[in-house]
Amino acid sequence: GAGVSQSPSNKVTEKGKDVELRCDPISGHTALYWYRQSLGQGLEFLIYFQGNSAPDKSGLPSDRFSAERTGGSVSTLTIQRTQQEDSAVYLCASSPRRVGPNSGANVLTFGAGSRLTVL
Amino acid sequence: AQSVTQLGSHVSVSEGALVLLRCNYSSSVPPYLFWYVQYPNQGLQLLLKYTSAATLVKGINGFEAEFKKSETSFHLTKPSAHMSDAAEYFCAVSGADKLIFGTGTRLQVFP
Repeated sequence: GAGVSQSPSNKVTEKGKDVELRCDPISGHTALYWYRQSLGQGLEFLIYFQGNSAPDKSGLPSDRFSAERTGGSVSTLTIQRTQQEDSAVYLCASSPRRVGPNSGANVLTFGAGSRLTVL
Repeated sequence: AQSVTQLGSHVSVSEGALVLLRCNYSSSVPPYLFWYVQYPNQGLQLLLKYTSAATLVKGINGFEAEFKKSETSFHLTKPSAHMSDAAEYFCAVSGADKLIFGTGTRLQVFP
C-alpha cells in the first residue's frame, strides 16, 4: 500500500482481556518495528522484524506481549491479560531495510497508531 | 549505546517568532540523527535527517537543524512560527538496528 496501515485505530478493553493490534507495512519494506507511546514517555521500542531473521524482542515489557509477522508482511502485536498500564498508543513503522549506522540512513515510515485504553 | 535528550517538554512561541527545539545526543559511533513531527491523532512524519553529508540540514515546512559535534547537539529551528506548526516534535538517533527517540517537545504557537 501507499503507507503503513494500522488497525484498529482505537480499542477500548476491560482489564484482563486479550487484544490484537494489526500492522500492514509498506509493500516491499523488509524491516518492521513496533513502538509504544505513553503520555510523557516518548516512544518506547518494543520489537523489530527484519526479513526472515529472528525478531529482536528486547523491548517487550513482559511476557504478556508478543508479536508475529506472517509472510514477511503483516504483523500482529498481541497483549494478553491487559493491564491499565498497557494503555498507550501503539505505533508501527516500516523501512526498506533495517535502520542503523551500518545500514545507511534508512527512514522509518510510521502508521497512525492504535490507541489502546484498558479500563 | 546511543541516546537523545530533548530539553524542554513544552515550548511556547508567538506566531512569527523563532522556533528553537533542543536535542542533544550520545553516540559511540558517528550518528545518524532525525527529527520527526507528530500532529494530533497522527503518526510520526519525518521532518529532516542528518547523514554526515552536511552539518546544516534543511527539512520540510521551513525547518532546519544543525549538527554540532563539539556540542553533541542537533537543535531544530524555524525562523518564523506558523499556527500550523503546533505539534509534538521528536529527536531520534540511530542505534544498532533501531531508532532511539527522545521524550518529545510539544510546541504551542500563540497568535
